[in-house]
Amino acid sequence: NAGVTQTPKFQVLKTGQSMTLQCAQDMNHNSMYWYRQDPGMGLRLIYYSASEGTTDKGEVPNGYNVSRLNKREFSLRLESAAPSQTSVYFCASGNRQGDTQYFGPGTRLTVL
Amino acid sequence: QQQVKQSPQSLIVQKGGISIINCAYENTAFDYFPWYQQFPGKGPALLIAIRPDVSEKKEGRFTISFNKSAKQFSLHIMDSQPGDSATYFCAASSQTGANNLFFGTGTRLTVIP
Repeated sequence: NAGVTQTPKFQVLKTGQSMTLQCAQDMNHNSMYWYRQDPGMGLRLIYYSASEGTTDKGEVPNGYNVSRLNKREFSLRLESAAPSQTSVYFCASGNRQGDTQYFGPGTRLTVL
Repeated sequence: QQQVKQSPQSLIVQKGGISIINCAYENTAFDYFPWYQQFPGKGPALLIAIRPDVSEKKEGRFTISFNKSAKQFSLHIMDSQPGDSATYFCAASSQTGANNLFFGTGTRLTVIP
């Protein structure tokens, strides 16, 4: 089992460009999450999907959109990237809300 | 508002020493308290977790101590090793409600040989 996979691993964007971060899990988990990690800020929840077909905002959703494509896949889209979105992005999954989460390896995004 | 407060922000310990990281919470509905370990360039990984029906849980050199009345829990790493150098996150959730995990801000642990 690969667990949680994320693509790409690294990305550099110019301000105003758009991109989609991909996430997939093979653990048959119902819930999936997107976090950003910034120095001294810990893990901040951007969006989550408690189950297939549902998505909800987390702590810092502005500037992002998500799609729960199916039970396995949960993508994060930046429509118009800003330097403030420079961060490391982690996808995670779990059986249900509040349960143990399993994290992917992360995507390091730089917006110039 | 930070649901889970974690301290210290950074910690330096000699090899063989005890590392202690503390977390506090306010929401009495929280009933699941995991700790995550993150190495540089990697995603966080579950290290150990506790539920409030016990006051302590030990797995190898790692122990969680839980004080329900004080709403505090801590991670103790005994005989700390350089390989334990990582960032540690505490977290809390209510498994009976539609709540997500709330993470602390992390503690960067450095174990000096």
